[in-house]
Amino acid sequence: LAKTTQPISMDSYEGQEVNITCSHNNIATNDYITWYQQFPSQGPRFIIQGYKTKVTNEVASLFIPADRKSSTLSLPRVSLSDTAVYYCLVGPKAGNTPLVFGKGTRLSVIA
Amino acid sequence: EPEVTQTPSHQVTQMGQEVILRCVPISNHLYFYWYRQILGQKVEFLVSFYNNEISEKSEIFDDQFSVERPDGSNFTLKIRSTKLEDSAMYFCASSPLSNYGYTFGSGTRLTVV
Repeated sequence: LAKTTQPISMDSYEGQEVNITCSHNNIATNDYITWYQQFPSQGPRFIIQGYKTKVTNEVASLFIPADRKSSTLSLPRVSLSDTAVYYCLVGPKAGNTPLVFGKGTRLSVIA
Repeated sequence: EPEVTQTPSHQVTQMGQEVILRCVPISNHLYFYWYRQILGQKVEFLVSFYNNEISEKSEIFDDQFSVERPDGSNFTLKIRSTKLEDSAMYFCASSPLSNYGYTFGSGTRLTVV
């Protein structure tokens, strides 16, 4: 499985756009990039998944450059409730290899 | 929105006792997982389950652990003889396809005393 590197923590003020970048230099051809969010004492929650270029849903956008060696999760206009740990995971979409969580990025949103 | 339901939310048990953690995955999902998270640490994979058998398991999932899908809805994790280091949040997850869009439950906090 491709190793991922993310910042350990980030701070942001309410209303700002937050971009969390994840490096995955050894991403394989059939790997997808998936982001999860985890609040304290809760299970991780799927946010978004993509393979290349840009993916957008009602929660976030995911930007993936052509070389796919990194990806950026973009959260528009964060609020206090977006304070959480965000995980970037890389792996094949199908198959038996389970998802492996790293330490994630702890985002703190300040009023 | 469909949910993965886990019971109990908290479980306190004495060292050496057996515990069973229960999960009801989303009904049309085919893949089931158990993860655990020791306080302040990473979410760790334990086991995946598909077509009524274990697909993958980690080094953590030793002979003290077992999983079962006794009927069409429940998915259980049994720890045969608990140790202090088994204290953690245990999360069940399910997905319609492997590695796509896992839905996690809210977890069972297991405390071994």
